[in-house]
Amino acid sequence: DGGITQSPKYLFRKEGQNVTLSCEQNLNHDAMYWYRQDPGQGLRLIYYSQIVNDFQKGDIAEGYSVSREKKESFPLTVTSAQKNPTAFYLCASSQQRLAGVKDTQYFGPGTRLTVL
Amino acid sequence: AQSVSQHNHHVILSEAASLELGCNYSYGGTVNLFWYVQYPGQHLQLLLKYFSGDPLVKGIKGFEAEFIKSKFSFNLRKPSVQWSDTAEYFCAVNNQGGKLIFGQGTELSVKP
Repeated sequence: DGGITQSPKYLFRKEGQNVTLSCEQNLNHDAMYWYRQDPGQGLRLIYYSQIVNDFQKGDIAEGYSVSREKKESFPLTVTSAQKNPTAFYLCASSQQRLAGVKDTQYFGPGTRLTVL
Repeated sequence: AQSVSQHNHHVILSEAASLELGCNYSYGGTVNLFWYVQYPGQHLQLLLKYFSGDPLVKGIKGFEAEFIKSKFSFNLRKPSVQWSDTAEYFCAVNNQGGKLIFGQGTELSVKP
């Protein structure tokens, strides 16, 4: 069954702790993305990666980090430096390395992070 | 900076009513345009997309959207909504620079 999986579905964290969100895809897509979704603000891009071992900051990268050691995996770490981490986090992937040229992004089910 | 604006934050309709959700973007070059839908508790799904050609595009579940370049708009329409269309709808624009820019989203509630 092809697609994008994210785990866990719900995550609770104490203030001051780092936490890592998992994203895996078996679509053989080159590009992967992390978004944050807040009510009334749509989706905002945190980081994206067009190829293994390479990634770029999105619009709201502060307080987050990523790695792309494998094509199918793109984990996101929410660090203690992120001032307002409670949100819904969505991972996406797209086929083409040169993202944007008639490229469609497909999304995972999301992880809801709550900081206590 | 490039931006996408969805005019309606929350729309409430009765079943069988017609739907039109507005989307405007600010970018003068070539764009790819998308509408995504997020049903309660489900993944964000692609509803339809425009890359080139006929500016009237048809998507899943009877939805369609019209790209009007002169108005920088990509409005979503459906002639007769159903209760199952209750969801949040997102317009997004890709200027072929590698990033999707999303609108704020429109929550649609359809009363049975």
